Amino acid sequence: EAGVAQSPRYKIIEKRQSVAFWCNPISGHATLYWYQQILGQGPKLLIQFQNNGVVDDSQLPKDRFSAERLKGVDSTLKIQPAKLEDSAVYLCASSARQTPPYGYTFGSGTRLTVV
Amino acid sequence: AQTVTQSQPEMSVQEAETVTLSCTYDTSENNYYLFWYKQPPSRQMILVIRQEAYKQQNATENRFSVNFQKAAKSFSLKISDSQLGDTAMYFCAFMRPSISSGSARQLTFGSGTQLTVLP
Repeated sequence: EAGVAQSPRYKIIEKRQSVAFWCNPISGHATLYWYQQILGQGPKLLIQFQNNGVVDDSQLPKDRFSAERLKGVDSTLKIQPAKLEDSAVYLCASSARQTPPYGYTFGSGTRLTVV
Repeated sequence: AQTVTQSQPEMSVQEAETVTLSCTYDTSENNYYLFWYKQPPSRQMILVIRQEAYKQQNATENRFSVNFQKAAKSFSLKISDSQLGDTAMYFCAFMRPSISSGSARQLTFGSGTQLTVLP
């Protein structure tokens, strides 16, 4: 089974510029997550989708971050304008609707550097 | 809100020896799930082992085992016969139980322990 695909793998931008990340989850996985992992910390959830609807975006800085999941498959996460503190790895994950909640799979992430 | 604490930022172990990584958590839930993930330099989170809180028996996966102490809210990972390939960042994570058909299933991570296996 193919894993969670993310692109680009690396991105360097200047502050105040915009950037977008793409995620393709495992086929059939209804739930998609975006996590932010700042260097030296554990990942923190930004947003969770169930199919193409938002389940939880309470930790998403909505003044600069946006995300969408059209047609309940691929997802994009955008930052506009970027700040220095947005430098981090952005991890996408997906899971199937099952109990217990196993089958939670992560992509390899996008490392963003804001200079 | 749940919190997960890993108090050992770095650890090292000699190849073939045993090492234990510590994790404590705080929750008011009675049923939940706990996980240990490994993150090598490739950045992909790899599931090492999982534990359901309603199970008293500690989970084991080959060289990996946990010591789950529910009353103490402690969830440590023991790696036996350490191998060079075990070198990675290890994260302890907590997941609330499903609360509806939509289900949260969000992971709350600790800050991680960098494990280095020495030859």
